Amino acid sequence: DAKTTQPPSMDCAEGRAANLPCNHSTISGNEYVYWYRQIHSQGPQYIIHGLKNNETNEMASLIITEDRKSSTLILPHATLRDTAVYYCIVRLTYGQNFVFGPGTRLSVLP
Amino acid sequence: DVKVTQSSRYLVKRTGEKVFLECVQDMDHENMFWYRQDPGLGLRLIYFSYDVKMKEKGDIPEGYSVSREKKERFSLILESASTNQTSMYLCASSLSWGTNEKLFFGSGTQLSVL
Repeated sequence: DAKTTQPPSMDCAEGRAANLPCNHSTISGNEYVYWYRQIHSQGPQYIIHGLKNNETNEMASLIITEDRKSSTLILPHATLRDTAVYYCIVRLTYGQNFVFGPGTRLSVLP
Repeated sequence: DVKVTQSSRYLVKRTGEKVFLECVQDMDHENMFWYRQDPGLGLRLIYFSYDVKMKEKGDIPEGYSVSREKKERFSLILESASTNQTSMYLCASSLSWGTNEKLFFGSGTQLSVL
């Protein structure tokens, strides 16, 4: 069974914030939320991860709801180069592999 | 920056051939992984290794084997290539199991088996 649910596709205007949702209603207390993206013809690229607190780095922000059943990846000022498939993954810290679902195909439009 | 290098970007082989896909990482990572990616099926884990000479089956190991003789190198072997193994193959590495584990991927090898 899939651990995460994401919309198959989204559009965003260039320069605007892109907010990508992810539902993970069965997440357990020691599972982290990870986000990766895959630009066409490249391997996936790590973006950010978190457990329960909101996280921010140079690429994006991760907002996790208080009940941890969903999260949102925010790209604050989307550019055309952010057009990619974005994967939300839930996994344990140790001994569990990353399972990539179908992800969300984000198209940033000029 | 971590670099994961896959030896070929594109590869064309014939049915029945033995195929080697090579992957090298330059950051002394413990873990290495092989995935395949097919349209509509996403990334699926074939094999992984958490140490030299150690290997573990992933979700779809049938028809594949792996070799890790040196820490930096992880090879995927198709003993007798078949057309249903036409796919994009992605190698990845991570430092070790842990809270801050991050996967670093290579650019992929598009394998066509004719």
